[in-house]
Amino acid sequence: DAGVIQSPRHEVTEMGQEVTLRCKPISGHDYLFWYRQTMMRGLELLIYFNNNVPIDDSGMPEDRFSAKMPNASFSTLKIQPSEPRDSAVYFCASSFNWGGGALGYTFGSGTRLTVV
Amino acid sequence: SQQGEEDPQALSIQEGENATMNCSYKTSINNLQWYRQNSGRGLVHLILIRSNEREKHSGRLRVTLDTSKKSSSLLITASRAADTASYFCATEGSARQLTFGSGTQLTVLP
Repeated sequence: DAGVIQSPRHEVTEMGQEVTLRCKPISGHDYLFWYRQTMMRGLELLIYFNNNVPIDDSGMPEDRFSAKMPNASFSTLKIQPSEPRDSAVYFCASSFNWGGGALGYTFGSGTRLTVV
Repeated sequence: SQQGEEDPQALSIQEGENATMNCSYKTSINNLQWYRQNSGRGLVHLILIRSNEREKHSGRLRVTLDTSKKSSSLLITASRAADTASYFCATEGSARQLTFGSGTQLTVLP
């Protein structure tokens, strides 16, 4: 298994541009999570999906952020328009519910976004 | 928002020594998990302890959980230089999501 695959690994973009981050979860995992990591705020949950349906998007900072999961093997996180304060490492993680409610997460390698 | 607070924020020890990291949280949980993050990499799941468990072992890792004090500790025995990383605790509550602590940066000196 190749694990959770994120692309691109690095993205540098100019303020105002649209940015799309991509994630391929582990096959068979029914939960997908998007996290953002910064020095100031640590790891923040942005949104998560269960069986391709968004369950909680309360962590999405503002309307400039949107996420989709059109099928079980693909998700995108889009920022439009991007701002310098969006600079962070964005992680995707997937997991499965193996009974008893306890989840094991597998993280991707992250996308380091720099907005200049 | 972050659920857990970890201490110390940074820990530096010699190879072969034991490292202990602590995590406190605020709300009731279903389980608590520990993750490791090497610089510039994603997080790697280390161990999970359920709310009805008090102690769990995995190789050189020992995790304790005290739900009355809302705290957990991670002990790494006989540390190695390769253990140098950031360590995060994360809690799962009634919602199916993990909330991460602020992390402890562990440096193991050869």
